[in-house]
This record gives sequence, structure tokens and C-alpha cells, in this order.
Amino acid sequence: DVVMTQSPLSLPVTLGQPASISCRSTQGLVHRDGNTYLSWFHQRPGQSPRRLIYKVSNRDSGVPDRFSGSGSGTGFTLKISRVEAEDVGVYYCMQGTHLLTFGGGTKVEIK
Amino acid sequence: QVQLVQSGAEVKKPGASVKVSCKASGYTFTNYGITWVRQAPGQGLEWMGWSSAYNGDANYEKMFQGRVTVTTDTSTSTAYMELRSLTSSDTAVYYCARGSWAAPGNLEDYWGQGTLVTVSS
Repeated sequence: DVVMTQSPLSLPVTLGQPASISCRSTQGLVHRDGNTYLSWFHQRPGQSPRRLIYKVSNRDSGVPDRFSGSGSGTGFTLKISRVEAEDVGVYYCMQGTHLLTFGGGTKVEIK
Repeated sequence: QVQLVQSGAEVKKPGASVKVSCKASGYTFTNYGITWVRQAPGQGLEWMGWSSAYNGDANYEKMFQGRVTVTTDTSTSTAYMELRSLTSSDTAVYYCARGSWAAPGNLEDYWGQGTLVTVSS
């Protein structure tokens, strides 16, 4: 089974400053169809998750361009160029190449 | 617009079963699949299983195999998740989400509102 490991678990950030979350998988995530099914989700308390990024680096509709995804193989990163107050919450990476697995989550809070 | 509307909160006793529904609208149901994800209080997201509304195929996370069944009813555009032999550790919010008809992995950005299942004696 593929295990997804996120770091850090908690990320205190200053408004307007950049933030970065890492996600590592125990197996490569290139599907036989050539796609890499690595997504990032954001969840605020009491809300359903919202997908931000799919297939490593594609932003969903309506997602601000301060969010970007990158990576390949077994290592992936979500970056926020300038953190805003609405970005607080928990971020999850998810692989969909080998069935489906979520990372443990990274809690982003404002310092 | 795409909507997934889940059934209401449930309270169950240990050993019982629960069946959560997820009614889809705003798209052609049989062109997609439905994935089920749960979240225990204060915990992360956990994939449970997936069902294709196109052909009825299903896949399950190993830890739930034998205890969960996910199905789709194309006549009502509704997906179901049944979890049996409940224990207190099954207390969680259960979500449905739209995905690919072909495989579980391509989870999209359409989620239900969540259904709280509480297991308590």
C-alpha cells in the first residue's frame, strides 16, 4: 500500500509570507496512463475538503494563483506565495495512482 | 450545477449497521464514480471505497474490506455506503465525492456536505 507522508504537521506562518508543505510517497506515482495523480486539498473546520491542485500542478477553477504545486516521482510540494488569512486550515495531499491514499495533513495557522 | 446531497446524521449502537446516501444532481450520473471518505473527530481524511456509476465496479481500502459496501443506483442517481459491525471508532463524518467512472484515483472537487455517524451505547 502507498503511504503518503506530509511535513510539517503544523505550520505557523506570517501573513504575506510564503509557506511550503512537503508530501512524500512510498511508491512512484506515475500511472500507466502517463498521468501523476497527486492532488492537494484544503479543509477549514466544519467544512468539506476543497481541491486546490490536481495532477501535481494544475490549479482548480477559482483557486488563487498564489497556490502552486510541483514535484515528481515520490516527492511533491504545495507552495503558497503569500499567505492570506483565509488560507488557514488543514492541507492534505492525496495520491490516486495506486487506489487512493491521503497524507496525514498539515495544519496552517497564522502566527 | 453539480451537487451531492447526503443523508442526515445517524446515531447507532455498537454492532449495528449504517447506510449513508449521496444523491447526485447537475450532471450525468453514469459518467462518473463516487468515492467515500471518512474523518474521525480531530483526525485526517481516510479513503474507504469507490463505486463506478458506469459499470458498478467497486474498490475498497483494505482495512474496510468485508465490512463496507458501496453501491450506486442509476435510477435515482444516488450512491450508498453501508458500514457494518460498528464500533465507537467508526464515529466520524462520512463524505461522498465525485470521481472517475474508471478508477478510484481521480477524485474531483465535488463533495457532499458530510454525514455525522455517531456510534454509542
